[in-house]
Amino acid sequence: DIVMTQSPDSLAVSLGERATINCKSSQSVLYSSNNKNYLAWYQQKPGQPPKLLIYWASTRESGVPDRFSGSGSGTDFTLTISSLQAEDVAVYYCQQYSGTPPMYTFGQGTKLEI
Amino acid sequence: QVQLQESGPGLVRPSGTLSLTCAVSGVSISNGHWWDWVRQSPGKGLEWIGEIHPTGTTNYSPSLKGRVTISVDKSKNQLSLKLSSVTAADTAIYYCARDKGDYTSTWDFWGQGTLVTVSS
Repeated sequence: DIVMTQSPDSLAVSLGERATINCKSSQSVLYSSNNKNYLAWYQQKPGQPPKLLIYWASTRESGVPDRFSGSGSGTDFTLTISSLQAEDVAVYYCQQYSGTPPMYTFGQGTKLEI
Repeated sequence: QVQLQESGPGLVRPSGTLSLTCAVSGVSISNGHWWDWVRQSPGKGLEWIGEIHPTGTTNYSPSLKGRVTISVDKSKNQLSLKLSSVTAADTAIYYCARDKGDYTSTWDFWGQGTLVTVSS
């Protein structure tokens, strides 16, 4: 199984400052058939389900503020929040997909605080 | 607007079978998307359980295969999850979610989740 490791486990950032969360995969999640990285990022607030932010490593989901961006390829990925807002306090998870047979795994989560 | 709502017993006895239903509204469950179950526990974090296509094709997590069954009832526009031989390790919040499609392999709509506790 592919193991996803996030760093750091927790992070405190001042309002208006940049937040960076890393995710490392034990195997490449880049599919040569379509040149897509099957890596997604989710935001989860207390008592709520995860919310999709980014898919294919860098494609922002519709309605997600542009202060959220994703980057990386292969095994190393980053979620960046360019200017932290109070409503961004949450736990963030990365998630990978591997096929044949299909399998999805998540990172352990990064808790982001002000 | 797509909405998903999980329901089922909140308490299951050890060695029993966990049974949950996910009611889908705002879209037909037959419209071609995959439908998934994901669970979240303090000890294991977020864990994918399995998925089903309206055609009936299923895929399950290898760690749960043999204990899990996912099915679809098109007439009721809902999907179901059955997990047998449960132990305390199966205590978790269980979510149903819709695959976004377009080969993104992500989930764009989620239910609010339902807590299932395995205890005698």
